[in-house]
Amino acid sequence: GAVVSQHPSWVICKSGTSVKIECRSLDFQATTMFWYRQFPKQSLMLMATSNEGSKATYEQGVEKDKFLINHASLTLSTLTVTSAHPEDSSFYICSARIPTDTQYFGPGTRLTVL
Amino acid sequence: AQSVTQPDIHITVSEGASLELRCNYSYGATPYLFWYVQSPGQGLQLLLKYFSGDTLVQGIKGFEAEFKRSQSSFNLRKPSVHWSDAAEYFCAVGGGGADGLTFGKGTHLIIQP
Repeated sequence: GAVVSQHPSWVICKSGTSVKIECRSLDFQATTMFWYRQFPKQSLMLMATSNEGSKATYEQGVEKDKFLINHASLTLSTLTVTSAHPEDSSFYICSARIPTDTQYFGPGTRLTVL
Repeated sequence: AQSVTQPDIHITVSEGASLELRCNYSYGATPYLFWYVQSPGQGLQLLLKYFSGDTLVQGIKGFEAEFKRSQSSFNLRKPSVHWSDAAEYFCAVGGGGADGLTFGKGTHLIIQP
């Protein structure tokens, strides 16, 4: 149980385009999902907290107009990187929280912006 | 502000030997503590967690961790490592609820035959 999927697993896009990443909780409902970013050989940094039916809460320094988050249902949150640039290339990981306060993580999405 | 320190970037252990990975945290309230493992190309897998109660917690794959409030530590241990344990290990702290997690920088575990 507590499986989280992400799609796509990797994506390559041109600079200036937008990319959408989906995060789904497959076997449970998640009122809260989180988005993290991981640079190569580094730790995960929390970007934002996504609550179903409400606006996401962004961490300091994360541009909310660049990283659009939508949590339309209890099993789906999306992260859209708008007008992507090479510096946005990274590994994006989502997690979903179960009621016992444990977060289960998706496999991540590798974004490369050319 | 909350923080997690994993002082060892790399650790090399012989197969069959015991393992201890260190984790120190800073958190203003009662912490929720986690250990996750990340293998190449894989997502983060939860090894174990501590919320309250018994300070020695058992996890999957033979791992255990001990919460020591006086030392602000939550070290991960395994009595005998296997080659398949080679991976990146992350310690994380949070407050529960809608709090995201703060991760340490990770410890890369290398297993020698």
